[in-house]
Amino acid sequence: SYVLTQPPSVSVAPGKTARITCGGNNIGSKSVHWYQQKPGQAPVLVVYDDSDRPSGIPERFSGSNSGNTATLTISRVEAGDEADYYCQVWDSSSDHWVFGGGTKLTVL
Amino acid sequence: EVQLVESGGGLVQPGGSLRLSCAASGFTVSSNYMSWVRQAPGKGLEWVSVIYSGGSTYYADSVKGRFTISRDNSKNTLYLQMNSLRAEDTAVYYCASKRGDWGGQYYWGQGTLVTVSS
Repeated sequence: SYVLTQPPSVSVAPGKTARITCGGNNIGSKSVHWYQQKPGQAPVLVVYDDSDRPSGIPERFSGSNSGNTATLTISRVEAGDEADYYCQVWDSSSDHWVFGGGTKLTVL
Repeated sequence: EVQLVESGGGLVQPGGSLRLSCAASGFTVSSNYMSWVRQAPGKGLEWVSVIYSGGSTYYADSVKGRFTISRDNSKNTLYLQMNSLRAEDTAVYYCASKRGDWGGQYYWGQGTLVTVSS
């Protein structure tokens, strides 16, 4: 089955840039979606189809995808960005949606 | 306004059954794919099942043969029938839906807690 690998944690100072990676075999050939989840809340879609942003999501959130790594980039990080972030793809070979293990973003 | 409201969670003994419901408003459940996603306490998101607009259904290996996803278009409601429940099925279960041409799942319910314990 297809596996997505994320770092368990990323720390960043306010105002700096956070990069959260999502590794998978030839993930560049798939569409990657990213979710933000704060404690006790449902996930929120922050990037879809590699790099598109839903309405209402700040431009500070951006995504890229190439080769074996997709990346969620959060610019000018704010305290309110502290959350767990998950990547997701559809694996057509198994007809499964797959989530990464999640990355806890800590704002120092 | 689009809204997804789950219900049906609760405490069930191992080997028991439960049916979760997800009532949708603001869109029709058959218009796009809808999924169930769960999250065990303190753990990450785990995809459970999806039903596509054409009716195709798919399941995670961990629930295949035990869970059944379905929808009732007349009630605009998504269901998850869960049989032969195990302790490891304990989780908050979310229903989620695609929005238009956007990938992934944009609309999410608030979740319903399922606890499997004797």
